[in-house]
Amino acid sequence: GAVVSQHPSRVICKSGTSVKIECRSLDFQATTMFWYRQFPKQSLMLMATSNEGSKATYEQGVEKDKFLINHASLTLSTLTVTSAHPEDSSFYICSARLAEETQYFGPGTRLLVL
Amino acid sequence: GENVEQHPSTLSVQEGDSAVIKCTYSDSASNYFPWYKQELGKRPQLIIDIRSNVGEKKDQRIAVTLNKTAKHFSLHITETQPEDSAVYFCAAIPLGQGGKLIFGQGTELSVKP
Repeated sequence: GAVVSQHPSRVICKSGTSVKIECRSLDFQATTMFWYRQFPKQSLMLMATSNEGSKATYEQGVEKDKFLINHASLTLSTLTVTSAHPEDSSFYICSARLAEETQYFGPGTRLLVL
Repeated sequence: GENVEQHPSTLSVQEGDSAVIKCTYSDSASNYFPWYKQELGKRPQLIIDIRSNVGEKKDQRIAVTLNKTAKHFSLHITETQPEDSAVYFCAAIPLGQGGKLIFGQGTELSVKP
């Protein structure tokens, strides 16, 4: 299958700082990428849909000014958690859409905010 | 919007037994239903999927059934093995919503040797 990478795999930051997470499709172009958040022992919750060259579409209840998404190229989407707080600590997973129903997940980024 | 409910939340079986996980969805326009297996700390991996024009699909020990009228679909794992232990998620892709996945709550399957 296609390969999607995420960087970093793990990050620890202080409360109030911003953290950027990158999601790359390595061997295909993705006009659409998705960002999910997963708390321990819970399901994946869709945060936003990232569209190349246009603004992201956020799910209800997700603060767009806190979770900044940029999809500047067909192989890269970034999620920036601004002014991170301990409650933002979570596992963030991206996926890249290859075709109508086919999307491939990145390995995830574990964020810990102290 | 689409809502996917999944049961049970935990399931423990003896090695060799079968395991069944059930999901229901709310949006009759949804037309694609994948199942994912997620091991601790790792990415979800697609194990099988089914489209709305098909009632059943099988791949070795794994099968999925879909009842469009009742809006529910199920995952069946036969001859379970300890390496099947993981969290399983069902999902649905609502038609015309850009391919976004709506996940069920997950089922933690434990296969005891």
